Amino acid sequence: DIQMTQSPSSVSASVGDRVTITCRASQGISTWLAWYQQKPGKAPNLLIYGASSLQSGVPSRFSGSGSGTDFTLTISSLQPEDFATYYCQQANSFPFSFGPGTKVDIK
Amino acid sequence: VQLVESGGGVVQPGGSLRLSCAASGFKFDDYAMHWVRQAPGKGLEWVSLINGDGGTTYYADSVKGRFTISRDNSKNSLYLQMNSLRIEDIAFYYCAKSLAPRRLDWFDPWGRGTLVTVSS
Repeated sequence: DIQMTQSPSSVSASVGDRVTITCRASQGISTWLAWYQQKPGKAPNLLIYGASSLQSGVPSRFSGSGSGTDFTLTISSLQPEDFATYYCQQANSFPFSFGPGTKVDIK
Repeated sequence: VQLVESGGGVVQPGGSLRLSCAASGFKFDDYAMHWVRQAPGKGLEWVSLINGDGGTTYYADSVKGRFTISRDNSKNSLYLQMNSLRIEDIAFYYCAKSLAPRRLDWFDPWGRGTLVTVSS
């Protein structure tokens, strides 16, 4: 099974900051990676799929990159509505798996 | 697109529960569907997948042999039969639609979830 890790586990940032979250797979997954945002008490929301494709309706300040084992989610200019937990997910092989999450909170 | 889960509740260890997910707003039988769970205050765990015609299913190792995913395309409904429930199965259970027709990979959108509690 493929294990996913994320770093950092949490980050404190201010509005306007550039935030970068990394995700690593235990084996190569090509670009079979997605990023989700989850706010407290809500269901997750798809942001990025295929490592770098922006889901329809998601602001362009979100971007994804990477392939193989190392991936990055970048928020170019953090907005108040972006404070949330972010999860990566691999779809290279079953069982699908998520990273443990990165919480972005207010500095 | 709307997904509405139901069927959660409190069950004793070793008991059974059947979750349902009512889908609307899209051609249901064109899309694979997933169950994903989240223990309170914890991360996400993928549970199971079923393809559009119901002929292909996959499960997480943690639920294999205990949970069964199914669908009724005539009713636009997804199900998760959960047997031999354990304390570690306590979670919010979300149903999610695959992003694209006939694809298995990404989850969008998700329902609001239903809470399963296992307690004596």
